[in-house]
Amino acid sequence: SQTIHQWPATLVQPVGSPLSLECTVEGTSNPNLYWYRQAAGRGLQLLFYSVGIGQISSEVPQNLSASRPQDRQFILSSKKLLLSDSGFYLCAWRGGEEKLFFGSGTQLSVL
Amino acid sequence: RKEVEQDPGPFNVPEGATVAFNCTYSNSASQSFFWYRQDCRKEPKLLMSVYSSGNEDGRFTAQLNRASQYISLLIRDSKLSDSATYLCVVNMHGSSNTGKLIFGQGTTLQVKP
Repeated sequence: SQTIHQWPATLVQPVGSPLSLECTVEGTSNPNLYWYRQAAGRGLQLLFYSVGIGQISSEVPQNLSASRPQDRQFILSSKKLLLSDSGFYLCAWRGGEEKLFFGSGTQLSVL
Repeated sequence: RKEVEQDPGPFNVPEGATVAFNCTYSNSASQSFFWYRQDCRKEPKLLMSVYSSGNEDGRFTAQLNRASQYISLLIRDSKLSDSATYLCVVNMHGSSNTGKLIFGQGTTLQVKP
């Protein structure tokens, strides 16, 4: 069966520090992968999606970037975090019938 | 206008009550619709897909009205464990290749004893 791993679960970072969140999927090949962010009290915002290695689509201009160095690995990065980058970050892969399956999320607090 | 809109609530209902949530979407070409459930500080999990003819899963019933561009979720005989945020999700482009699933902000349900 397919599983998705996302880490860390919680992260506290100072403003201006770099960021790297990693997500890996097991049990499937060439998945469509996604990064979402959920700010406090708000809905999920699609940040990036990828349909294959090295293929990244960005949905909104922001201080973040994404990379997909391997088929089942999706990385979210930032060179310098802003206060506004705080939020709950979720990685997801798309299964059959366009259903999304999420990792357990990373709660990022930028101070 | 937001692409997917939901009443954020909260909806406070007693156990055993029937509650309904609505969701509207802006893109008439949307093809796929879902309801997800999200518990506090957890990841969203698929509750059910929404089919044109309407579909039911136990106490949960989902309906789609393409003409009016809205989706509904009905929960009968509410349980305390139903307390969560319910997210309406729409594929805005009607194409599985782009995979742009757009989430509503969610409707919070609180079931009281």
